[in-house]
Amino acid sequence: DAGVTQSPTHLIKTRGQQVTLRCSPKSGHDTVSWYQQALGQGPQFIFQYYEEEERQRGNFPDRFSGHQFPNYSSELNVNALLLGDSALYLCASIWRSRLALGNEQFFGPGTRLTVL
Amino acid sequence: AQSVTQPDIHITVSEGASLELRCNYSYGATPYLFWYVQSPGQGLQLLLKYFSGDTLVQGIKGFEAEFKRSQSSFNLRKPSVHWSDAAEYFCAVGEPYSSASKIIFGSGTRLSIRP
Repeated sequence: DAGVTQSPTHLIKTRGQQVTLRCSPKSGHDTVSWYQQALGQGPQFIFQYYEEEERQRGNFPDRFSGHQFPNYSSELNVNALLLGDSALYLCASIWRSRLALGNEQFFGPGTRLTVL
Repeated sequence: AQSVTQPDIHITVSEGASLELRCNYSYGATPYLFWYVQSPGQGLQLLLKYFSGDTLVQGIKGFEAEFKRSQSSFNLRKPSVHWSDAAEYFCAVGEPYSSASKIIFGSGTRLSIRP
């Protein structure tokens, strides 16, 4: 059983550009969360998707948007990139989160985004 | 607002020595509590979690953590560390009894192992 996968592994962009990161959840998982991890920091919650809708959002600007597809995979889009957006972006998937079971979040290896 | 404090940025211990990583949280009630480990190039892996019940929680890789409500702490321990334990460790809190799965992470403690 494949775990959470993310693509690409690394990405280099310049300021003002747009970027799309992709995540495939663990088999059977229906909820995807995205986190941003700046260097030397803990991950920060960006948003969560369930049933193809954004269900919860952290303290991130509207430049950060996402999408969830019918197969539960997800994309994170960031517009008008800033230098401060350079970070490791982590995707986590959860099984049946809506049942409030406190189910474990399984994290992918992340996408390292560098903004020049 | 929920918050997590890991007061030690970097800890070095000798292989075979015992380990304790500190974690304090701020929350109005008893939150869900987690410890994750992150190795270079790897995603976050859950070591253990506390939701309720016995305050001493056993996890994977020989780790355990103790929830102390009076101290708002959830310290991670291991009786004898191995060189492979060198990694970044994150304490985290989540909202109980909620379908919201947002997790608040601490800033992490980097563990180095002295041969």
